[in-house]
Amino acid sequence: AIQLTQSPSSLSASVGDRVTIACRASQGISTDLAWYQQKPGEAPKLLMSAASTLQNGVPSRFSGSGSGTDFTLTITSLQPEDVATYYCQQFNSYPFTFGPGTKVDMK
Amino acid sequence: QVQLVQSGAEVKKPGASMRVSCEAPGHPFSGYLIHWVRQAPGQGLEWMGYVNPKSGGTNYAEKFQGRVTMTRDTSINTAYMELRRLTSDDSAIYYCVRRDIGFLGFDPWGQGTLVTVSS
Repeated sequence: AIQLTQSPSSLSASVGDRVTIACRASQGISTDLAWYQQKPGEAPKLLMSAASTLQNGVPSRFSGSGSGTDFTLTITSLQPEDVATYYCQQFNSYPFTFGPGTKVDMK
Repeated sequence: QVQLVQSGAEVKKPGASMRVSCEAPGHPFSGYLIHWVRQAPGQGLEWMGYVNPKSGGTNYAEKFQGRVTMTRDTSINTAYMELRRLTSDDSAIYYCVRRDIGFLGFDPWGQGTLVTVSS
């Protein structure tokens, strides 16, 4: 199975800060990666498909990049409503594994 | 906008079975797969498998093989996930999610079903 690691596991940032979350796959997965945002008590929400395709309704301050084994989710200007845990997931091969998550909170 | 509506919370005894339903009201099962993902309290997301609503075909994570069955009833646009021989480690929120065939993302997600396994 393909393993996904995320770094950092948690971070604190201020409103307006640029936030970067990394996701690394144990083997190359092309751009077969999605990013999700999960707020406490809610189901995950799809932010990005195919590594860099922003989903309808997701603010443009979110962006994704990468291919192969290294991927990045960037929030260009952190807002209070972005406090959440972020997960990456690979779709290259079954089982469709998730990263362990990165918890983002406000400083 | 497709929504997935799941059945309500359950409390089960160790060794029992659970079944969670997932309905797509007003939207025929066609062109997509229904996957199941679970999340233990305070933990991350774990993919369990999927059912193809059109064919009934399934693919399960190795961890759950022999203990899980995913089915569907196309007449009522509903998918089911049954998990047997429950232990406390199976206490989790269970989500059904839709994946359009070929799409690299899960969307939408059901609201989740909390299953608690306790003696």
